[in-house]
Amino acid sequence: DVKVTQSSRYLVKRTGEKVFLECVQDMDHENMFWYRQDPGLGLRLIYFSYDVKMKEKGDIPEGYSVSREKKERFSLILESASTNQTSMYLCASGPPDRYEQYFGPGTRLTVT
Amino acid sequence: AQTVTQSQPEMSVQEAETVTLSCTYDTSESDYYLFWYKQPPSRQMILVIRQEAYKQQNATENRFSVNFQKAAKSFSLKISDSQLGDAAMYFCAYSPYGGATNKLIFGTGTLLAVQP
Repeated sequence: DVKVTQSSRYLVKRTGEKVFLECVQDMDHENMFWYRQDPGLGLRLIYFSYDVKMKEKGDIPEGYSVSREKKERFSLILESASTNQTSMYLCASGPPDRYEQYFGPGTRLTVT
Repeated sequence: AQTVTQSQPEMSVQEAETVTLSCTYDTSESDYYLFWYKQPPSRQMILVIRQEAYKQQNATENRFSVNFQKAAKSFSLKISDSQLGDAAMYFCAYSPYGGATNKLIFGTGTLLAVQP
């Protein structure tokens, strides 16, 4: 079974803090993704990566950055957390030839 | 721009009954993939079913089946013999064919309640 893990299920941070969300997958997938999920808005793509050290902006990249130094690990960074970044963050991975994605359990981030 | 619309924010079904969740999408592409994902409360999102646009036959996975109407750009999910464990948020998703990044475009979701 594909396994995608995220470093925290729940996280509480203060405004202005730098926040790191970690994601690890064990299936040697080339593609990895970060989404945020908000009620009534579905999932929106923040960033994705199709190879080590490669990244592309998704639909809502503002306020976020990412890092992919190893194939299995994809990190989402909030340089200076703000209250409007309070959300559920989902990481996913997938092979390039099958189009479906496999999701982690999510991190519920609260910024106060 | 490609979009996915789920017009039913919430639905309810009696245990053992059948329910259909609606999804429409907008694209100018002819080749693409469609998916239904299930997100149970506080649990991981999992893939329920996928459909390749070039296939005319509707996909089926046990109690889950789709009604894919390509001309109408409609992709509904039918859940037969509903069980309590089917209660979840269901997301419809679209992915254009081709390219290496297989990005998904999601709808806003339908929250399904199953009544005992």
